[in-house]
Amino acid sequence: DAGVIQSPRHEVTEMGQEVTLRCKPISGHNSLFWYRQTMMRGLELLIYFNNNVPIDDSGMPEDRFSAKMPNASFSTLKIQPSEPRDSAVYFCASSSTGGGGEQYFGPGTRLTVT
Amino acid sequence: AQSVAQPEDQVNVAEGNPLTVKCTYSVSGNPYLFWYVQYPNRGLQFLLKYITGDNLVKGSYGFEAEFNKSQTSFHLKKPSALVSDSALYFCAVRDPGFKTIFGAGTRLFVKA
Repeated sequence: DAGVIQSPRHEVTEMGQEVTLRCKPISGHNSLFWYRQTMMRGLELLIYFNNNVPIDDSGMPEDRFSAKMPNASFSTLKIQPSEPRDSAVYFCASSSTGGGGEQYFGPGTRLTVT
Repeated sequence: AQSVAQPEDQVNVAEGNPLTVKCTYSVSGNPYLFWYVQYPNRGLQFLLKYITGDNLVKGSYGFEAEFNKSQTSFHLKKPSALVSDSALYFCAVRDPGFKTIFGAGTRLFVKA
């Protein structure tokens, strides 16, 4: 299996622009998680889905952030408009609720907003 | 509510010596506990888990962890550290709804 796939790996954008991050989970996994990691705040859970349905979005910072999972093999995290404080590494992870629930992380997208 | 604490920001150990990275947890009900490792510029990587059964669980790269219910601890251990073990280690606990709470992480430095 190719593992969790994220794109792009790096994104540099200007403040105010829209940013879309993409994730393809491991085939057969039915839970998907979006995280943000910074030096200051560590690893933060933004939102997670079970069977394509958003379960908990309490970690989404504000209305500028939105996430969708239109099918079992694809999810997006969108920031509109982006701000410099959104600069971070964004990770997507997937897991199977049939097992112990360990998560498999993608390589991350490093976002820089100037 | 579930929570997990890693009391040490950093652990230093000499190569060849045993290492321990500490973790304590708070859960309602039976705990699902995990350890993950993160190498520079990489995503977190699953090392091992405890769900039920033997209190000593073995994982990848020679790591093991001991579940101690009375002390609510789940410390990560390795008998002989390698320089390549230097990384950021996260302890985590899963709640019944499959949301996972991660600790703040402990940076391990193994000196040659």
